[in-house]
Amino acid sequence: EIVLTQSPATLSLSPGERATLSCRASQSFNNYLAWYQQKPGQAPRLLIYDASNRATGIPARFSGSGSGTDFTLTISSLEPEDLAVYYCQQGSTWPLTFGGGTKVEIK
Amino acid sequence: EVQVLESGGGLVQPGGSLRLSCAASGFTLSNYAVSWVRQAPGKGLEWVSTINTSGGSAYYPDSVKGRFTISRDNSKNIVYLQMNSLRAEDTAVYYCAKNVGAGALDYWGQGTLLTVSS
Repeated sequence: EIVLTQSPATLSLSPGERATLSCRASQSFNNYLAWYQQKPGQAPRLLIYDASNRATGIPARFSGSGSGTDFTLTISSLEPEDLAVYYCQQGSTWPLTFGGGTKVEIK
Repeated sequence: EVQVLESGGGLVQPGGSLRLSCAASGFTLSNYAVSWVRQAPGKGLEWVSTINTSGGSAYYPDSVKGRFTISRDNSKNIVYLQMNSLRAEDTAVYYCAKNVGAGALDYWGQGTLLTVSS
């Protein structure tokens, strides 16, 4: 099983700042890595798939990068509505697994 | 508009059974693999099951294998999750989601709550 470890657990930033979220895997895999945003009381929303492809309708300030065991979600300029928990997920091997999440707080 | 809708959640006693349903509008569900993902109260996301387009292949984590069964009726455009031998730790919001590409989930329902308690 591929274990995904996300860091930091919580990120507190001001609007306009750059947010960098990390997702590290217990073993290397192909780039079938997705990122999701979950706002309070809502279902998750797909942001990024295949490590770096933005999903339909996702603003350009969200970008994904990385390969092997280290992946990153970057929010280039934080907006107040980006308050959420962000999860990474691998689709390379069964069982599918999620990281524990990074909570983004807006100062 | 693409929508996914889960139904069937509720309160069940430990050891009991329940079946969840997942329907879709705005797209043909039978053309896609579908997954169930759950979220225990205050916790993160946990993948529960995936079924391929034909229904011929299904996948589960060890935590539910042998107790949960995913199936689909493509004539009705519905995916089911049959849950047996339920435990308190199965208490969660269960989301149904459409698969895209290799394991990513692009459309999610709003979830249905399962509570396992006596």
